[in-house]
Amino acid sequence: GAVVSQHPSRVICKSGTSVKIECRSLDFQATTMFWYRQFPKQSLMLMATSNEGSKATYEQGVEKDKFLINHASLTLSTLTVTSAHPEDSSFYICSGERSRSTDTQYFGPGTRLTVL
Amino acid sequence: GQNIDQPTEMTATEGAIVQINCTYQTSGFNGLFWYQQHAGEAPTFLSYNVLDGLEEKGRFSSFLSRSKGYSYLLLKELQMKDSASYLCAVRAYGQNFVFGPGTRLSVLP
Repeated sequence: GAVVSQHPSRVICKSGTSVKIECRSLDFQATTMFWYRQFPKQSLMLMATSNEGSKATYEQGVEKDKFLINHASLTLSTLTVTSAHPEDSSFYICSGERSRSTDTQYFGPGTRLTVL
Repeated sequence: GQNIDQPTEMTATEGAIVQINCTYQTSGFNGLFWYQQHAGEAPTFLSYNVLDGLEEKGRFSSFLSRSKGYSYLLLKELQMKDSASYLCAVRAYGQNFVFGPGTRLSVLP
């Protein structure tokens, strides 16, 4: 159990366009979902935390108007990269958590975004 | 805030044992996690320690000393497929996970 899916797995877009990435918990209800960004050979950097039905909490330095997060239900969160630029090219990973106190996070397979 | 440190790279031989260390500084410690991540893939959960001591899971074991702010992941009978990055992550009460920089392990034949 505890499977998280992401769609799309890869996306290539032109500079200035917007890209939406979906994250779904398939067999559990994720009270909290997290969005991470990972550059090559670096560790995961938390971008934002979202709880179902409320606004996301963004980490320092992450532009909330550029990275729009919607957590519409306990099984779906979306990240929209608006007006993408080449420097936004990265590996975006979401994760879901069942319990805030003791549970691990369950990671999606990631989305490779390339902005031309 | 939290500060987590791991060695950047390690190399070991197939069939050997390797220990990957993780040191951390945090207040309100509430658990330490180890993840394995192959290149281009998402991390997969390996182990969780919240109390001092050793947790064993097959070829993988993880140790925690809260007083020393120290953990290690022990991999036995190394296989080529164990070549990956190993991420240490710490959780503190009321806070999100913080990931260490990761250790890239290369297993050589």
